[in-house]
This record gives sequence, structure tokens and C-alpha cells, in this order.
Amino acid sequence: QKEVEQDPGPLSVPEGAIVSLNCTYSNSAFQYFMWYRQYSRKGPELLMYTYSSGNKEDGRFTAQVDKSSKYISLFIRDSQPSDSATYLCAMSARGNQGGKLIFGQGTELSVKP
Amino acid sequence: EAQVTQNPRYLITVTGKKLTVTCSQNMNHEYMSWYRQDPGLGLRQIYYSMNVEVTDKGDVPEGYKVSRKEKRNFPLILESPSPNQTSLYFCASSFLADRETQYFGPGTRLLVL
Repeated sequence: QKEVEQDPGPLSVPEGAIVSLNCTYSNSAFQYFMWYRQYSRKGPELLMYTYSSGNKEDGRFTAQVDKSSKYISLFIRDSQPSDSATYLCAMSARGNQGGKLIFGQGTELSVKP
Repeated sequence: EAQVTQNPRYLITVTGKKLTVTCSQNMNHEYMSWYRQDPGLGLRQIYYSMNVEVTDKGDVPEGYKVSRKEKRNFPLILESPSPNQTSLYFCASSFLADRETQYFGPGTRLLVL
């Protein structure tokens, strides 16, 4: 079983829709939960990250972490064609696992005008 | 301009011919890492370094070597490449205290025949 699981999609939505992207994980030591966005032929860029449980909002983007269920989500409100990209969740711990970052498979999102 | 650079961007080689992919960053980051990205498997960490002369294995280190002799450079060495190392490779860097904010290079596409 992979430490981090993410549905690869592809996911296609109309412009203006609310998008929900999700990841599950198995390692209870993970404390940092990240979402990266990757446009075609580019390197990933950090969107936002959350420490431990709870919600974090940044404009149209909201990240949620539920450590009890080992489940994280990224919501995109009022989605735009410019949001079309691959979204990767990533997780890390500290202590003796502190150097590793574990990524999900990525979900390919297409927002149609 | 703050950036991570990788060279070469594209490389075609043959099985067994040693090669090096260079990575350099100009942000004074302590942490550097190499990833490979394959369809359906997402981004997987190969090696990482938390400072000069300190390197450690990620999830898929077999067949790769790294060294960190200077803070800004982190080359990836394939001593005897095989076709299963055909992939898209990314270098990334960050401050050690903020490993969640990784800055990625543009990627190196490698084909091993």
C-alpha cells in the first residue's frame, strides 16, 4: 500500500464550479500537508500547506486536513480555465523521518470555459 | 532572479553510459532534493540533502548517486543507466526550516535506450 493515495483523474468541470481534490495517507507521523500545482511542461509550485489538522484558506483555495481519518482535501471555488493543471498533494514528518517528502500521484484537472 | 536550474533539459543516452544531471540554486537553501516523475506513479523522491556533505535516501534511490560538496549544487549521477530510468527528473530546494515550500527546477527529460 502506498503511503499517500490520490485519484489521478482526469477531472473535468465547467468554469465556475467548485472543485474538490482529495488524498488519503497511512503514515500517522505526517504533520505537514501540502498542495502543489503543476502546469504542463513545468515544475510543481507550492499552492499552500497546513500544519497538523484544520483548515486554511487562501483566496479561492481552501485546504482541509482530517488527521483522525488520514484524509486531506483541497477545494477550489469559482474555478477558472487558468486552474487547469495537475494538483499534487504532499506530506512530510519531522524527527527521524524529517527529510522525506511523499507525494501523491497527482490529479489532472481541466476547467472548461 | 531566484531560481533552480537543471542541465541538460533533455538527454538521450544508451544503457550503461554514465551521465550526470546538474542542479544549482541561487537562494542559499540548505535543503535540496531529486525527484522522478512517471505517469501513474507521481513524483517520487530519489535522494535529498539537508546540508553540505549530508545526503540521505528517498523512496527510490537504487541506481542513483548524489553528492553535495557545495551548498548551491546537487548533481544526480547515473553510473550505469538502464531503460527503467527513463523518466522526467526534477531538482528542488528549500530552506531547512521550511521544507514544505520546495522550489522546483524546470525538469530534465531522460530517455535511456
